[in-house]
Amino acid sequence: ETGVTQTPRHLVMGMTNKKSLKCEQHLGHNAMYWYKQSAKKPLELMFVYNFKEQTENNSVPSRFSPECPNSSHLFLHLHTLQPEDSALYLCASRRAGGDSGANVLTFGAGSRLTVL
Amino acid sequence: AQSVTQPDIHITVSEGASLELRCNYSYGATPYLFWYVQSPGQGLQLLLKYFSGDTLVQGIKGFEAEFKRSQSSFNLRKPSVHWSDAAEYFCAVGRLSGGSYIPTFGRGTSLIVHP
Repeated sequence: ETGVTQTPRHLVMGMTNKKSLKCEQHLGHNAMYWYKQSAKKPLELMFVYNFKEQTENNSVPSRFSPECPNSSHLFLHLHTLQPEDSALYLCASRRAGGDSGANVLTFGAGSRLTVL
Repeated sequence: AQSVTQPDIHITVSEGASLELRCNYSYGATPYLFWYVQSPGQGLQLLLKYFSGDTLVQGIKGFEAEFKRSQSSFNLRKPSVHWSDAAEYFCAVGRLSGGSYIPTFGRGTSLIVHP
């Protein structure tokens, strides 16, 4: 399998549930991102990991907890979410480096989350 | 801080007509600029990018974009639109910061293609 794979593609959860989103990349990239895409809003950067270390947290509520065990896997753990957290969550990765090709993100297809 | 404005929320064109999607950015230094496309139910796919050099860049699927520093613009064009081009288009400006690469996206322009 190639590219960036996100599972599950669709998730429905109650406000008291705990669930996780998974992202896996087979591109040999070293940086991974979580974005939130809500209707009629720009893509919101949530977290950035470089070589497994978190380098950006864009003031995301603590009910979203990221985990990056290695450069190929990224998780977003969800607990006590609110209905306004319903959105498409996109994972992306990029190759580390200072050349122009390293500044291109490769996106997964996203996980559509609905919070009831 | 960098920002991106895509002034058109929706654009409707007839198949075979030309297309121009507008993008204006705000960034203090020479920007990295991108156009991505998102089809329904899919993630974002890179169409083209500009880092330096020739201000007219060619991308996939017959798209091109022109960087105009004086206008802080990076408009996307296609001479003849196909029905399969119907999608959401996102302009982005990026910067490197402390080892992280941070792209900022516009709100997107939804392209509708009439037969």
